[in-house]
Amino acid sequence: NSKVIQTPRYLVKGQGQKAKMRCIPEKGHPVVFWYQQNKNNEFKFLINFQNQEVLQQIDMTEKRFSAECPSNSPCSLEIQSSEAGDSALYLCASSLSRVQDTQYFGPGTRLLVL
Amino acid sequence: SQLAEENSWALSVHEGESVTVNCSYKTSITALQWYRQKSGKGPAQLILIRSNEREKRNGRLRATLDTSSQSSSLSITATRCEDTAVYFCATDILGYKLTFGTGTSLLVDP
Repeated sequence: NSKVIQTPRYLVKGQGQKAKMRCIPEKGHPVVFWYQQNKNNEFKFLINFQNQEVLQQIDMTEKRFSAECPSNSPCSLEIQSSEAGDSALYLCASSLSRVQDTQYFGPGTRLLVL
Repeated sequence: SQLAEENSWALSVHEGESVTVNCSYKTSITALQWYRQKSGKGPAQLILIRSNEREKRNGRLRATLDTSSQSSSLSITATRCEDTAVYFCATDILGYKLTFGTGTSLLVDP
């Protein structure tokens, strides 16, 4: 069973507002991933970290999205100016390795942008 | 277009029956993983099968991988109501992210 913790579970924002969500990876997992899952069950990879360093991120993430994984603090994903199309389930996963390894997912933060 | 996709949108079986979910993918892979997502939860991995493996088992679950046809299957025997979930295949292409299919919704009736 996954021990990845995500907060809050639900987030409601108005368009243009900031939305911030947090993730505590499993203890000892240096690799953290953020995915967006829309209502059609489509997953979109957003960004991943190894320790505090960004490994990969998509273009979308570079514009309005920002993320960090500081040492000894929860990882976070923030949307600077929320849009209706950002409404989705945001999933955090952690892993021991970034290559061919199990990703352990948290329950997600469901964001609704009105 | 999806790099990985399950071949059925939804399946329904009675408890105790067997069921197979199929997946096809479009690129060379290093590994393929099967995940299950129950309502209100994040995905949970069921099986990871590497590109040099043809079959992998985990209890009542059996996954196969055919790299020549770029397809995989997940079979569940003796299904239980708690197997009701959405099943995803996910390909590990470059080693830094998973590419998920859109899932097959499985309903197991009592």
